[in-house]
Amino acid sequence: VRLVQSGTEVKKPGASVKVSCKTSGFIFTDFYMHWVRQAPGQGLEWMGWLNLKSGGTNYAQKFRGRVTMTSDTSINTAYMDLSSLTSDDTAIYYCARKLPHTNTWFDRWGQGTLVTVSS
Amino acid sequence: QSVLTQPPSVSGAPGQSVTISCTGSSSNIGAGYDVHWYQQLPGVAPKVLIYGNNNRPSTVPDRFTGSKSGTSASLAITGLQAEDEADYYCQSYDRSLSASVFGGGTKLTVL
Repeated sequence: VRLVQSGTEVKKPGASVKVSCKTSGFIFTDFYMHWVRQAPGQGLEWMGWLNLKSGGTNYAQKFRGRVTMTSDTSINTAYMDLSSLTSDDTAIYYCARKLPHTNTWFDRWGQGTLVTVSS
Repeated sequence: QSVLTQPPSVSGAPGQSVTISCTGSSSNIGAGYDVHWYQQLPGVAPKVLIYGNNNRPSTVPDRFTGSKSGTSASLAITGLQAEDEADYYCQSYDRSLSASVFGGGTKLTVL
């Protein structure tokens, strides 16, 4: 099982960023893909999930209107798009897979993608 | 302010034991949702340490044990080793937020 994320990004305030999470070693559509971010020196913050079978989503209230999670099942890759970036969005962004149930856990994580927002 | 509350730091000498608490509420841990624990070593992604309150993946030593009672959960680490120095996070589900929630994290220092 592998989740391999795209590389470091540097963006200007107001821009958008799209992070990819390419997976292998499991049946892609059996899982939900969640995105979790970690600001420098801070804890983990859940951003939302994408149902990899149906395309349905659930975003944390904080990110609604700014985040879009999508996938391409033909290449087993999930994406997280975050718009209207500010310096507060500087963080490492992780994809993490989870079986579709409230009591399941994040059993595999990507390596993380550093997004730096700076003018 | 995290939905789940953890102490910012704990410490212990090699060989000693420590416990990390995770306090929630009636909309998450107290509602019966499972608690999971993650270990994050410096500079790498988190990995699951305990799942379903008290289950260990096969690769995790039995020095790590999880428990849950009421609106709280705990992670106990016995026989502390230098390589246990890391950040530890609890995670559950909150039905009021319809969201996965994390604790603020606890930094374990092995003295």
